Amino acid sequence: QQPVQSPQAVILREGEDAVINCSSSKALYSVHWYRQKHGEAPVFLMILLKGGEQKGHEKISASFNEKKQQSSLYLTASQLSYSGTYFCGPSWGKLQFGAGTQVVVTP
Amino acid sequence: NAGVTQTPKFRVLKTGQSMTLLCAQDMNHEYMYWYRQDPGMGLRLIHYSVGEGTTAKGEVPDGYNVSRLKKQNFLLGLESAAPSQTSVYFCASSYSGGVSYEQYFGPGTRLTVT
Repeated sequence: QQPVQSPQAVILREGEDAVINCSSSKALYSVHWYRQKHGEAPVFLMILLKGGEQKGHEKISASFNEKKQQSSLYLTASQLSYSGTYFCGPSWGKLQFGAGTQVVVTP
Repeated sequence: NAGVTQTPKFRVLKTGQSMTLLCAQDMNHEYMYWYRQDPGMGLRLIHYSVGEGTTAKGEVPDGYNVSRLKKQNFLLGLESAAPSQTSVYFCASSYSGGVSYEQYFGPGTRLTVT
């Protein structure tokens, strides 16, 4: 039942792009994305809602395919500050988080 | 504005001991949550509350109890700690339900049960 995230880990050089995918076995109302740096609390990045509405605090792009029950997070022109573990949280009423994707951005 | 705070930050318990973790938020949020985080498992919901005086079970509620006597506080109790409860515990809050409102997390409590 836990959403499936892929890849499990990715290593990037500064300036490179990456895509993190999140798949659910259930129909979704929304998808949340959070980033957690080592030893810190998860921090909200974005919510994608049915119908295309998005709420976010940062300049990060994401997509939400309701029919396929999938969401993707796009890390474009990655910066060192993008390093961390990214969690998706598909919601069908309650949030359930994926296991996370570890992203390491190197100079 | 402190956001979400958790007490204590670290704790070591012996098997069978009890303890209470305190979560406080100053954002006047209705919803509060307790998660545990284990390596490779992500965040798993233990219990949550949709308002003062109400609580509900999440994915992994066994061995835990919660109370929300005041809107700003959410307590997580372990009555008889077990080594399987060794984890990092995060409290979170949101203005309203989890579908379209972001959650704000506290700094976490690292609990070790020996």
